[in-house]
Amino acid sequence: SLELTQPPSMSVSPGQTASITCSGDKLGKDYVYWYQQKPGQSPVLVIYQDDKRPSEIPVRFSGSNSGNTATLTISEAQAMDEADYYCQTWDSNAAHFGGGTKVTVL
Amino acid sequence: QVQLVESGGGLVKPRGSLRISCAASGFIFGDYYMSWIRQAPGKGLEWIAYISSTGQTIYYADSMKGRFSISRDNANNSLHLQINSLRAEDTALYFCARTTSLEGHFDHWGLGTLVTVSA
Repeated sequence: SLELTQPPSMSVSPGQTASITCSGDKLGKDYVYWYQQKPGQSPVLVIYQDDKRPSEIPVRFSGSNSGNTATLTISEAQAMDEADYYCQTWDSNAAHFGGGTKVTVL
Repeated sequence: QVQLVESGGGLVKPRGSLRISCAASGFIFGDYYMSWIRQAPGKGLEWIAYISSTGQTIYYADSMKGRFSISRDNANNSLHLQINSLRAEDTALYFCARTTSLEGHFDHWGLGTLVTVSA
């Protein structure tokens, strides 16, 4: 079964760039999706099909996927970006989530 | 706007059964795949199953096969999840999510319904 590995936590200073990685075997051959979840809220899609951004998501969110690693980048991080972030992909008709990365902006 | 509202959660004894539901509105329900995803307290997201727009195609996570059953009623814009032989480790917030296509993304989520399994 596919395993997706994310760092459990990271911190970023306001205005700086945060890069959240998601690693899995041959991950680059499939689309990766990213979700943001703030405390007490439902997840929200921030990136789909590796690098596409829903219209309501700020442009500071971007994504890439190649080889064994997908990356979600938050440029010029803001306090409102503090949240848990999950990567997700499909493999053999099953959805797989990474363990999540808690991003702290301070 | 798209709305997904889960219901039916609650406190259940181990080995009991429960059927949770999701009421959909704001979109043509019968045009979309739908999924169930759960989140144990303080833990990450865990996909359970998805069902095609017509209900003819269903897939489960390997760990969910046997005790979980997903179904839908397009006439009433509702999604269901039957859970049997409940265990303590099934305690979680259960979300329904609209799925854009076969192996697509989860573009809208409900607020979830909490299932607690305890004697």
